[in-house]
Amino acid sequence: EADIYQTPRYLVIGTGKKITLECSQTMGHDKMYWYQQDPGMELHLIHYSYGVNSTEKGDLSSESTVSRIRTEHFPLTLESARPSHTSQYLCASSDSYEQYFGPGTRLTVT
Amino acid sequence: AQSVTQPDIHITVSEGASLELRCNYSYGATPYLFWYVQSPGQGLQLLLKYFSGDTLVQGIKGFEAEFKRSQSSFNLRKPSVHWSDAAEYFCAVGAAQAGTALIFGKGTTLSVSS
Repeated sequence: EADIYQTPRYLVIGTGKKITLECSQTMGHDKMYWYQQDPGMELHLIHYSYGVNSTEKGDLSSESTVSRIRTEHFPLTLESARPSHTSQYLCASSDSYEQYFGPGTRLTVT
Repeated sequence: AQSVTQPDIHITVSEGASLELRCNYSYGATPYLFWYVQSPGQGLQLLLKYFSGDTLVQGIKGFEAEFKRSQSSFNLRKPSVHWSDAAEYFCAVGAAQAGTALIFGKGTTLSVSS
């Protein structure tokens, strides 16, 4: 079944650690997105990609980086995690107008 | 500036009662409009979308929404709420260009009382 996957679902990690949040989709979509979601706030776009080797920063400033080497894979990396990175991270993909979301990764940095 | 406003942070509705969640948008171009639902610990699921044509659109789970250009609104409705509808609901707007990022409202949390 075509779907979008995120791992891990939950992560608690100490300050200064390097982490990678994984996102994969089996829908064959060219466009992929990373959003940050905090309680009571809008989803904010932090990165997007329109295809392999294409990545752009979104509206919300983020210290994370992304890569798109394969169509189905769009990982997000934090080189040095800080408590301010504590949030939920949602990955989405699209082949037209509507976006399809993964289940999210809830990150806590202690 | 492009924005989406959901005026109600939290709404409680009795099971079986009707529901209306409000959404107002500010967007320079012709907007494409969406409603998503998020259950606790889950990602967002698309409920319905409006691109053009009939201003009353039907979605999944018995939801519908009406686009009113004059009021810049896209309110979500359901005639009879079920306990399983308790969740957070997000309105979003996008440009009439495939692949552009969506702008989301802050969401409305729906509680259903028995």
